[in-house]
Amino acid sequence: EVQLVESGGGVVQPGRSLRLSCAASGFTFDDYAMHWVRQSPGKGLEWVSGISWNSGSIGYADSVKGRFTISRDNAKNSLYLQMNSLRAEDTALYYCAKDPLVLGRVDGKNWFDPWGQGTLVTVSS
Amino acid sequence: EIVMTQSPATLSVSPGERATLSCRASQSVSSNLAWYQQKPGQAPRLLIYGASTRATGIPARFSGSGSGTEFTLTISSLQSEDFAIYYCQQYNNWPRFGQGTKVEIK
Repeated sequence: EVQLVESGGGVVQPGRSLRLSCAASGFTFDDYAMHWVRQSPGKGLEWVSGISWNSGSIGYADSVKGRFTISRDNAKNSLYLQMNSLRAEDTALYYCAKDPLVLGRVDGKNWFDPWGQGTLVTVSS
Repeated sequence: EIVMTQSPATLSVSPGERATLSCRASQSVSSNLAWYQQKPGQAPRLLIYGASTRATGIPARFSGSGSGTEFTLTISSLQSEDFAIYYCQQYNNWPRFGQGTKVEIK
């Protein structure tokens, strides 16, 4: 069974940084692209970033480009999201999600299955 | 930027009845459309991709149709476990989600 477990969320002041992690199990992690998707009451569901199986293709939403960095460690079956210069509008539940296609790219033609349970990020002074 | 619009915002349906949910894209997304179900306190779950292909383990009472800009998710006979929020997502040009349709008990 595929399991995705996020961690690293918390309360952080505007302008500060936070690093999220996602531990994956139950599948061959280095065969699949992975993504971060966030959900907030105000903005709903929003794709944040994705990274291909070999880190060869990476994408970001315009809202986080230049501030967030996605990465992965295939040896550790782990996905990461480094979030810098955090803003109040980054407050959300952040989900880790698996790309369904084997050896898929991050090319804008991505959907998500399955999702983890999420980790909550609150940006507030 | 492709904008996804779902209607209605809330749908009140009795158990056993049929539910029809709509999703419209601001420009054509071909058949690059997915549907998700989200229950309170849970992550979204993939129901449909490619506009009409059920994901693994999804019951046959869920069906998707449409292409281009107009899409429909139909639940043929609502079960108690189907009351939830449903989201559409286009993946033709960077993923974008609709705002959701809440299916509630009438």
